[in-house]
Amino acid sequence: NAGVTQTPKFRVLKTGQSMTLLCAQDMNHEYMYWYRQDPGMGLRLIHYSVGEGTTAKGEVPDGYNVSRLKKQNFLLGLESAAPSQTSVYFCASSYAGPNYNEQFFGPGTRLTVL
Amino acid sequence: KNEVEQSPQNLTAQEGEFITINCSYSVGISALHWLQQHPGGGIVSLFMLSSGKKKHGRLIATINIQEKHSSLHITASHPRDSAVYICAVISGTGGSQGNLIFGKGTKLSVKP
Repeated sequence: NAGVTQTPKFRVLKTGQSMTLLCAQDMNHEYMYWYRQDPGMGLRLIHYSVGEGTTAKGEVPDGYNVSRLKKQNFLLGLESAAPSQTSVYFCASSYAGPNYNEQFFGPGTRLTVL
Repeated sequence: KNEVEQSPQNLTAQEGEFITINCSYSVGISALHWLQQHPGGGIVSLFMLSSGKKKHGRLIATINIQEKHSSLHITASHPRDSAVYICAVISGTGGSQGNLIFGKGTKLSVKP
């Protein structure tokens, strides 16, 4: 099993450009999450999904959109990138919610917005 | 005030030392997670606990719900334990109800 994979691993964007980050998991997990990690701060939840076709906002959702059309994939979109979105983005998945199960993390995507 | 506070922020130890990392939280929780972030950036889950104590190899995690405090212990530390250790709790309130709130992490460096 590949676990949780993320593409791309690195990306540099100019302000105003758009892009989509792809997260894929092969563990048949229901729950998927997108986090961002910034220096000096803990991981922060952007959006999450509790099942195929459902998404919900996390702590810092502004400027991002997500879709979960297939159970195994969770896409994070930036419609008009801003320098404040320079960060490392982690995707995670779990069988059930954090009250019950550990989360499995992808390797991260390092995004720089110039 | 941050909902999850970890101490120390940075810790340097000699190989073989017993290490303790602390996590205090201010919200009511149903579970607490400990994670490890490797120097290369990858994150793995170490423990999930809601009471008492769990042990895995040289790692031990304890939690005191009444005192809102958890500790992660590493016995016989080794340079390969060098990583950032992250505490996360599940908040029962707020916009992220039912989701993890993370501490800023404790950076551990174990010298040979």
